[in-house]
Amino acid sequence: DVKVTQSSRYLVKRTGEKVFLECVQDMDHENMFWYRQDPGLGLRLIYFSYDVKMKEKGDIPEGYSVSREKKERFSLILESASTNQTSMYLCASSSGLPETQYFGPGTRLLVL
Amino acid sequence: GQNIDQPTEMTATEGAIVQINCTYQTSGFNGLFWYQQHAGEAPTFLSYNVLDGLEEKGRFSSFLSRSKGYSYLLLKELQMKDSASYLCAVSPREAAGNKLTFGGGTRVLVKP
Repeated sequence: DVKVTQSSRYLVKRTGEKVFLECVQDMDHENMFWYRQDPGLGLRLIYFSYDVKMKEKGDIPEGYSVSREKKERFSLILESASTNQTSMYLCASSSGLPETQYFGPGTRLLVL
Repeated sequence: GQNIDQPTEMTATEGAIVQINCTYQTSGFNGLFWYQQHAGEAPTFLSYNVLDGLEEKGRFSSFLSRSKGYSYLLLKELQMKDSASYLCAVSPREAAGNKLTFGGGTRVLVKP
């Protein structure tokens, strides 16, 4: 079974703090993704990576950065958290064809 | 550009059948996915269609017509646990990363 884990289920941070969200997958998948999900807006892609040290911007990269130093780990960084980054953050990984994405349990982030 | 449309909400009775439609317009096509997402949880993979026709998997079936840019997910013998959001996602033909574009999701409420 594919397993994708995320470092926290719930997180509360203050405006201006630097926030790290960690994602680890154990299936040797090449591709990893970070999404945020908000009511009425669906799943929106922030960044993705198709190889170690490679990253591509998704649809809403502003205010975020990512790091992929090892194949199994993909980190999402909020350099200076803002209240409009309060959201559910979902990590996913995939490999080959079909490109089925497997999701982690999600991190619900509240920025005060 | 990418555009995926599905109804926002549907209500059905336990034991009945519900059909969730999804239409898409994407730049290239590499397959269509359906995911199930219970409230507060991560999406889980249900089905994948790349060729025209019907794929049956137990109580759930998924249909694809590539020429019409249309798919549906059919849920039979509805159970209360089927109350969830159902996400349609398309894999457009991309150079790398196997991105998926998600629709907004259809929330299905199963009533006794």
